[in-house]
Amino acid sequence: ETGVTQTPRHLVMGMTNKKSLKCEQHLGHNAMYWYKQSAKKPLELMFVYNFKEQTENNSVPSRFSPECPNSSHLFLHLHTLQPEDSALYLCASRLAGMAGELFFGEGSRLTVL
Amino acid sequence: GQQLNQSPQSMFIQEGEDVSMNCTSSSIFNTWLWYKQDPGEGPVLLIALYKAGELTSNGRLTAQFGITRKDSFLNISASIPSDVGIYFCAGRTNTGNQFYFGTGTSLTVIP
Repeated sequence: ETGVTQTPRHLVMGMTNKKSLKCEQHLGHNAMYWYKQSAKKPLELMFVYNFKEQTENNSVPSRFSPECPNSSHLFLHLHTLQPEDSALYLCASRLAGMAGELFFGEGSRLTVL
Repeated sequence: GQQLNQSPQSMFIQEGEDVSMNCTSSSIFNTWLWYKQDPGEGPVLLIALYKAGELTSNGRLTAQFGITRKDSFLNISASIPSDVGIYFCAGRTNTGNQFYFGTGTSLTVIP
């Protein structure tokens, strides 16, 4: 239990569906991250939120839409995805500042049919 | 983006052996993190390093922050079957919130 909870753990969706991934952290952190993990590739940063403000968008396609209503919650809204978007989506959080380790959730395994 | 070279890509070792892996970057980092990831799970933080030359241990794991600030090393002593998994390094520069990750080292421990 890392203090970062992701739901759902597994999601199968068609290319025309709309779904959302949810992340909640109980660590008192103020920065939250979405990463994509595909086989044989390094973790790819998607978005960073710092105090609810988006500070990084790593050229992510608009079919991925993040939302950060407060410092404890982060969503990733998904619509009209492609099969190549199938991957493990990882949420992470940290206390922004000079130090501040990054703690990950258990991930949401997404399969797009 | 920033590339971290992590080696080796995979290791097959006998139980009880020691293991070494490393990460190098083209940029200077002021934070190095080491993670372990089991199948279907998220990465779990093992060790965090903040200072050049720093040597930090966590049980049988020891990690070092390279003097040049462009590399880091992880050693596992007396490996056991539950050490099996993928180990990732991650680094962060002095500015921004972004962490850069290595491609991972897959460790197999043969009982």
